Amino acid sequence: AQSVTQPDIHITVSEGASLELRCNYSYGATPYLFWYVQSPGQGLQLLLKYFSGDTLVQGIKGFEAEFKRSQSSFNLRKPSVHWSDAAEYFCAVVAYNQGGKLIFGQGTELSVKP
Amino acid sequence: GAVVSQHPSWVICKSGTSVKIECRSLDFQATTMFWYRQFPKQSLMLMATSNEGSKATYEQGVEKDKFLINHASLTLSTLTVTSAHPEDSSFYICSARIDPTGTEAFFGQGTRLTVV
Repeated sequence: AQSVTQPDIHITVSEGASLELRCNYSYGATPYLFWYVQSPGQGLQLLLKYFSGDTLVQGIKGFEAEFKRSQSSFNLRKPSVHWSDAAEYFCAVVAYNQGGKLIFGQGTELSVKP
Repeated sequence: GAVVSQHPSWVICKSGTSVKIECRSLDFQATTMFWYRQFPKQSLMLMATSNEGSKATYEQGVEKDKFLINHASLTLSTLTVTSAHPEDSSFYICSARIDPTGTEAFFGQGTRLTVV
C-alpha cells in the first residue's frame, strides 16, 4: 500500500535561513505528489505538485521540491525562510488503487526564529 | 484557481444533537468529494469519499450512521454528525476533485466542531 513518511515532526529555522522538509513515499508506479501548507485553524493550501516531467518543480511563495525516484523522496525547499512561513506542512501522494484518495504524511511543524 | 467553500467555519452544539457541515465547489463541478477529520497536531484522516449521485465510501472504522454524507449535486456535499458527543469534537475538512481521474484536490477552510 502507498504511504508517505515525513521524518521530522518539528523543525525550527532562523528567519532568512534555508529550509528543507523531508518526504519519502512508497508507491509502485510513478507517483503524483503534493506539498500542502496549513496555518492554524485553516484548511490546506497547495504549494506545489509533481505529476511527471521536470523533477524540480516550482511552487508558490518561493518553494520548490525535487522528485528523486532513486531515493523515493520529494523534499520541499526554500532558500530563505520568512516568519510568515511558520505553519504545518504536509506531503501527500495520490493512491489510485484506493479510489484516488490522497495519502498524507504525518506533517512537519515549522517554527521560525527571529 | 478552484475554490471550495466550507460552512460553517466553527460550530458549537450540545451533546445528542446533530450538526450539518456543507462543502461547496464554487467555480467547478466536483464529481468526487472527500471528508477528513483532523485531531490537534495530527495529520488528516480520511473519513469517506463521496461521488455525486451515489453512496459514500467510508474508511474502515468510520461509523456510517454517525457521519452521514450526502453528495446530492456536483457542487455540494454535506456531512451530518448525528447524535454528537464530546468525542466527536474535531476539525473537519472537505476537499473536492474535478473528475475521478483528476490528480489535484482542492480543500475547504475546515470546520471546527465543539460538542458540549
